[in-house]
Amino acid sequence: QKEVEQNSGPLSVPEGAIASLNCTYSDRGSQSFFWYRQYSGKSPELIMFIYSNGDKEDGRFTAQLNKASQYVSLLIRDSQPSDSATYLCAVNRGGGFKTIFGAGTRLFVKA
Amino acid sequence: NAGVTQTPKFQVLKTGQSMTLQCAQDMNHNSMYWYRQDPGMGLRLIYYSASEGTTDKGEVPNGYNVSRLNKREFSLRLESAAPSQTSVYFCASRGVGRTDTQYFGPGTRLTVL
Repeated sequence: QKEVEQNSGPLSVPEGAIASLNCTYSDRGSQSFFWYRQYSGKSPELIMFIYSNGDKEDGRFTAQLNKASQYVSLLIRDSQPSDSATYLCAVNRGGGFKTIFGAGTRLFVKA
Repeated sequence: NAGVTQTPKFQVLKTGQSMTLQCAQDMNHNSMYWYRQDPGMGLRLIYYSASEGTTDKGEVPNGYNVSRLNKREFSLRLESAAPSQTSVYFCASRGVGRTDTQYFGPGTRLTVL
């Protein structure tokens, strides 16, 4: 079992729809959770982080965390073609130095 | 403020050759990281340095060595390159704090023939 698992996709949604990206993790000691966006040929850039159970909203993005189920998700509302990218889920263990990344989900938003 | 810089951007090596990938950050971060990214594999941690003077192995350290030269610089060395080391290499740095994010360099595309 991988430590951080994501559906590789591709996930295809029409413009204006909600895209839902999911991630599960195996280490119950994980404390911080991050979503990165990576455009083709570019480096990852942070979208959001979350460390408390529940929802956290930032503009069109909402991160959801359920520690009991070891599940974190990212919702993108009003999806735009410019949101087409690979989304990486990352989990930081207790201790803080190591961050483990999932393999990423490719998202396509169709105009 | 350049953030995280990496050199070179591209490199082609023959099997058995050695090279050093350079990374520098100007954000006064304590922690620095080296990852490799292969298709379908996501980012895998090679080595990291929690602070100046310390280095630790990550998930895939075999075939690599690192040096934390000072607080700004963290280099990755391939002593005898192998085709399995063909990948994109990213350096990252991170501040202190539970929610501090990692900032990534632009990456180095390495091909080993």
